[in-house]
Amino acid sequence: NAGVTQTPKFQVLKTGQSMTLQCAQDMNHNSMYWYRQDPGMGLRLIYYSASEGTTDKGEVPNGYNVSRLNKREFSLRLESAAPSQTSVYFCASSETSGAGDEQFFGPGTRLTVL
Amino acid sequence: GIQVEQSPPDLILQEGANSTLRCNFSDSVNNLQWFHQNPWGQLINLFYIPSGTKQNGRLSATTVATERYSLLYISSSQTTDSGVYFCAVASGGSYIPTFGRGTSLIVHP
Repeated sequence: NAGVTQTPKFQVLKTGQSMTLQCAQDMNHNSMYWYRQDPGMGLRLIYYSASEGTTDKGEVPNGYNVSRLNKREFSLRLESAAPSQTSVYFCASSETSGAGDEQFFGPGTRLTVL
Repeated sequence: GIQVEQSPPDLILQEGANSTLRCNFSDSVNNLQWFHQNPWGQLINLFYIPSGTKQNGRLSATTVATERYSLLYISSSQTTDSGVYFCAVASGGSYIPTFGRGTSLIVHP
C-alpha cells in the first residue's frame, strides 16, 4: 500500500517548456487535489477533483491544467512554464471532499523553471 | 475566504521542553487538521479536530470552535519533532481546507 505517489521527484525546465506532473493513489479515494508550496506561504490549492470525472479550480489555477484520468490518477500540466511556477507541488487525496475526511499527501515534486 | 493565522512563526526548543502552537481562524469551521512537515518535506497528518480535544502520545490538540482557535501541544519535545506544523481549515459549504503559513519548530539536542 503505497498511499499517494508522485512523479517526478525533481524537475528543471526552461521558460516556455511544458510538462506533466503525475499523481496516483491506491486508497480508493474519490477526491484528489493539487497544491503548490512556496517559501513562507503554506500550501495553496491549484485544482481539485471531488470525484472521478469532475475538476474544479482552487485558489491559484492560472497557468495550469488538470486531468482526472481515472479514479486513481490525477495529473497536473504546465503548458508553458514560467519562473513564477518554481515551487514544490504536492498531490493529496481524501475519501471524499466532505466532512470528517482527512487528506493524505504525496512526497512532492520540486520544480525549478529557469 | 477564511483567514488562518498561526503563531508563533518560529520556535526553537531544547529537547525535553514543552510547547504550544496556536491556530486562529476567521470564521466557523467544519474541518480542521494539523499536519507536520518533516525536514524532508513529507506532510504527515497529526489530527483531524474541528472541535474538542484529542491526544496521540506526546501530542495533543484542542479546538475551541466557538472562539475560533485551535492549539497543538507538544510535550517532552524530541529532535524528530523538528519541522513545520500547519493548521488547515475549511468553512461554509466547502470542506476543501485552507492552510495557514505554519510554525517552524527546531528542537536542539
